[in-house]
Amino acid sequence: DGGITQSPKYLFRKEGQNVTLSCEQNLNHDAMYWYRQDPGQGLRLIYYSQIVNDFQKGDIAEGYSVSREKKESFPLTVTSAQKNPTAFYLCASSDQGKSGANVLTFGAGSRLTVL
Amino acid sequence: GQQLNQSPQSMFIQEGEDVSMNCTSSSIFNTWLWYKQEPGEGPVLLIALYKAGELTSNGRLTAQFGITRKDSFLNISASIPSDVGIYFCAGQLQYGAGKSTFGDGTTLTVKP
Repeated sequence: DGGITQSPKYLFRKEGQNVTLSCEQNLNHDAMYWYRQDPGQGLRLIYYSQIVNDFQKGDIAEGYSVSREKKESFPLTVTSAQKNPTAFYLCASSDQGKSGANVLTFGAGSRLTVL
Repeated sequence: GQQLNQSPQSMFIQEGEDVSMNCTSSSIFNTWLWYKQEPGEGPVLLIALYKAGELTSNGRLTAQFGITRKDSFLNISASIPSDVGIYFCAGQLQYGAGKSTFGDGTTLTVKP
């Protein structure tokens, strides 16, 4: 079955450490996205990529970095510069509206807790 | 940037009741989407709306694209316990590869 796989599901990190969240899709989608979700808040866009080897900052990119070396993969690194990294992180992909609206397919999320 | 106001923030209802929630914006969108997120999972698309005035149903769910293009509504009829979750609206200004702006979500609790 096609879909998006995020790992790990749960991650604990000490302050000052970088951590990388994995996102892999087998939907053959060109675009991939990273969102952050905090309780009571909507989804805030961190980074997105519309094509391999290219990506753009979203609304809250500070303290995060990404790479897009393969179409299937879009890992997110939460760096020590991110002041409040504890959150639920969602990866998504889309075919960029080829079938109509730009519908996002989401992974199951990764919950990061900084101790 | 664009912002969406989604209301209500939360709802506690009895099984069998109907539910209404809405999203409003100060600027127009060309596409509205409604997603549902179950606990510990990512959101899943429920309904996509493509033009002003459009009314679309998906089972017990009905959504409308407001005439002004600045709002959208989602109704759930005869709620059941599995309707529990967070419902998000999302608007897109640009057709095709446009970015989505999300509302803050409506958390729905259904009491059996």
